[in-house]
Amino acid sequence: NAGVTQTPKFRILKIGQSMTLQCTQDMNHNYMYWYRQDPGMGLKLIYYSVGAGITDKGEVPNGYNVSRSTTEDFPLRLELAAPSQTSVYFCASILDGSSYNEQFFGPGTRLTVL
Amino acid sequence: QKEVEQNSGPLSVPEGAIASLNCTYSDRGSQSFFWYRQYSGKSPELIMSIYSNGDKEDGRFTAQLNKASQYVSLLIRDSQPSDSATYLCAVNTGGFKTIFGAGTRLFVKA
Repeated sequence: NAGVTQTPKFRILKIGQSMTLQCTQDMNHNYMYWYRQDPGMGLKLIYYSVGAGITDKGEVPNGYNVSRSTTEDFPLRLELAAPSQTSVYFCASILDGSSYNEQFFGPGTRLTVL
Repeated sequence: QKEVEQNSGPLSVPEGAIASLNCTYSDRGSQSFFWYRQYSGKSPELIMSIYSNGDKEDGRFTAQLNKASQYVSLLIRDSQPSDSATYLCAVNTGGFKTIFGAGTRLFVKA
């Protein structure tokens, strides 16, 4: 199993550009998450999905969109990039909605918006 | 607003010493508690989970939970330079959402 994979690893965007961060998991997990982590800060939840076709907003959804057409894939779309979106983005997944499941994280995407 | 608080550090300990990391949380209904280790430039990885009051030991790591005080801690015995990382406390408040603390940076001096 590859676990949770993310592409790209690094990206520099200009203000106003758009891009999609890709996330794929091969563990047949139902729940998937997108977090952002700013320097010295914890993980902030952007969006989450409890299964294919079902997504919902997290704590900091503004400026982002997601889709979940398959169990495996959960892409994050940035429209009209802004410097405030400079961050490290982590995708994570868990098997189901149990409180006791650990989250499995992808390697992250480091995004800089100039 | 449900919160998880950690001392940001850095916490500096000599090699071989015990490192003690602390975390408090605001939601009394929280059910499960996790410690993740995050090396610089890497993603978080789970090192301990604890669900009931008391201590849970795994090798050099001991997690302690006190739900009455809304307090969870992580002890690292015989600290090694390879333990130098940021430790994230994470609290599941029920269901599938987890709240993460900002993390405590630990430096273990050789």
